Amino acid sequence: AQKITQTQPGMFVQEKEAVTLDCTYDTSDPSYGLFWYKQPSSGEMIFLIYQGSYDQQNATEGRYSLNFQKARKSANLVISASQLGDSAMYFCAMRPTHTGGFKTIFGAGTRLFVKA
Amino acid sequence: GAVVSQHPSWVICKSGTSVKIECRSLDFQATTMFWYRQFPKQSLMLMATSNEGSKATYEQGVEKDKFLINHASLTLSTLTVTSAHPEDSSFYICSARDPGQGDEKLFFGSGTQLSVL
Repeated sequence: AQKITQTQPGMFVQEKEAVTLDCTYDTSDPSYGLFWYKQPSSGEMIFLIYQGSYDQQNATEGRYSLNFQKARKSANLVISASQLGDSAMYFCAMRPTHTGGFKTIFGAGTRLFVKA
Repeated sequence: GAVVSQHPSWVICKSGTSVKIECRSLDFQATTMFWYRQFPKQSLMLMATSNEGSKATYEQGVEKDKFLINHASLTLSTLTVTSAHPEDSSFYICSARDPGQGDEKLFFGSGTQLSVL
């Protein structure tokens, strides 16, 4: 079975500091993609970063980086230099490549609060 | 990046009526679209996979007669909530994958907030 687990319902971070949002996953598929999305209060889903299961290096996109530890099945999101506009819900997601027909499943989400 | 347009953004309807939500890929062709449902402060739950030119594939527990999905063209999928009831009130959001982009990410519409009175 495919599963995404985000154990932090809410996180606080001081503006300009870094924060790590945890994500673990479970899949029997040997090939998969891992994603992080941001959902502000407006409801839209904004793609942040992608990591392929066979990628050798951790993905980075600007202030976002993905700490991919395959053996531990974890894909934590690191946001550096937090900004007030980073306050939002963050979802970790996974898409197994060979099973499920392109279906992407999501974790429960973590609400991030950035303090001034 | 690819753009997915979803309409309406919000709708209020009476119990027993049907509501149609449209999802369009504006600058790419999407053979597959996905419909998700999100309750307040919860995650996105996949309802069904919409396949162009064929029947949708529904997730376990989703009533196909209740949530009708039509994907008649490569750029349009519609979700119709039939005989809506208050328990159908939710945030519905569609997504699509652009086959021209290699990293498999989904592009999302802006979502539809449905309130059934």
